[in-house]
Amino acid sequence: GESVGLHLPTLSVQEGDNSIINCAYSNSASDYFIWYKQESGKGPQFIIDIRSNMDKRQGQRVTVLLNKTVKHLSLQIAATQPGDSAVYFCAVFLNDYKLSFGAGTTVTVRA
Amino acid sequence: DAGITQSPRHKVTETGTPVTLRCHQTENHRYMYWYRQDPGHGLRLIHYSYGVKDTDKGEVSDGYSVSRSKTEDFLLTLESATSSQTSVYFCAISAGSRNQPQHFGDGTRLSIL
Repeated sequence: GESVGLHLPTLSVQEGDNSIINCAYSNSASDYFIWYKQESGKGPQFIIDIRSNMDKRQGQRVTVLLNKTVKHLSLQIAATQPGDSAVYFCAVFLNDYKLSFGAGTTVTVRA
Repeated sequence: DAGITQSPRHKVTETGTPVTLRCHQTENHRYMYWYRQDPGHGLRLIHYSYGVKDTDKGEVSDGYSVSRSKTEDFLLTLESATSSQTSVYFCAISAGSRNQPQHFGDGTRLSIL
């Protein structure tokens, strides 16, 4: 199986600063990872994904880092904006199409 | 945004009544999923489908059934609703079974009194 944990349930960040959200997973055979953003009253929204053959992947203002040695991934958001306030989940695949989700980190952006 | 529509968006019903939630997609994706989201438990998979009439159980399938008669529609049924099934239900779709992201609808908030 797979268990997924997040290091911090909440994160408060000043507008304009960078945010880092962390996630740990348990199974070294996990090979595909996704970050989602969920705003109040909405479903999880895909942000970025990364496969196990990569260490880093960049999108628009976001970067995902994968450290397979310690089974850890992180999501970095550059120049955090008020619209980034949401709950962020990491999700992990284990050899099939079933996702295991972390509990989520609530990010609050201070003006 | 992925073309996923869930209906109804909100429902209040009584214990013991049957309830059906609908997920409709316009992406022609083969794979569809039903999740429930509860405080302290995150998202948990109820059932999934890997094609028309092809479905299988997830981790919390007791008390739920599903049907998929067309590619675009995936129905979740609570045959006899219980208060423990009060939750927010999300449908998701994906183009492939592996290494493909799942895209979610905006959910159905179900309250069972």
